[in-house]
Amino acid sequence: DAKTTQPPSMDCAEGRAANLPCNHSTISGNEYVYWYRQIHSQGPQYIIHGLKNNETNEMASLIITEDRKSSTLILPHATLRDTAVYYCIVSLYNAGGTSYGKLTFGQGTILTVHP
Amino acid sequence: KAGVTQTPRYLIKTRGQQVTLSCSPISGHRSVSWYQQTPGQGLQFLFEYFSETQRNKGNFPGRFSGRQFSNSRSEMNVSTLELGDSALYLCASSLRRDFHNTGELFFGEGSRLTVL
Repeated sequence: DAKTTQPPSMDCAEGRAANLPCNHSTISGNEYVYWYRQIHSQGPQYIIHGLKNNETNEMASLIITEDRKSSTLILPHATLRDTAVYYCIVSLYNAGGTSYGKLTFGQGTILTVHP
Repeated sequence: KAGVTQTPRYLIKTRGQQVTLSCSPISGHRSVSWYQQTPGQGLQFLFEYFSETQRNKGNFPGRFSGRQFSNSRSEMNVSTLELGDSALYLCASSLRRDFHNTGELFFGEGSRLTVL
């Protein structure tokens, strides 16, 4: 699986958009970009994923650059409850059974949302 | 719809003992994965089960083992506990064999193990 690079920490004011960057310069053509977050003392929570097109759901938007070497997770209106560690993960799609159930988590970005 | 349930939530053991942790996946989910989370190593994949068979395994010693039952519930066991096994053990379930189609692993709250 491709390695990802994220800033260790970021701050955001409540109500503003939080833009979390992720570099994955060695991503291959069949690897997806996933975002999960982990609020203190809870299990990770899936946010969104994508291959090459921008994606949006009720939680966030995912913007993937045209060369797919980086992406940005956007929380459009951050709240205090969005304070968490955000993980950007790149994972193979259906790699012959060797990656089922397996996500390689890095250190993530600690997002702190301030009042 | 009930989420992933892990028991016990907290437990304390001493070195040399063994421990068994339990995970009940979301109803209908047939794939169960286990992860270990420590402050030093972060989240690390242990193994994944589907249809009562281990399909994928991380880089952990043989002291870590697991199994899955016909109702998809899973257990993991750690024998001969070491101090370094103190961690949050997380279970995740997914709907299909190829979770990439859905993009989601659903995690439980974890079992926090302390080894003294």
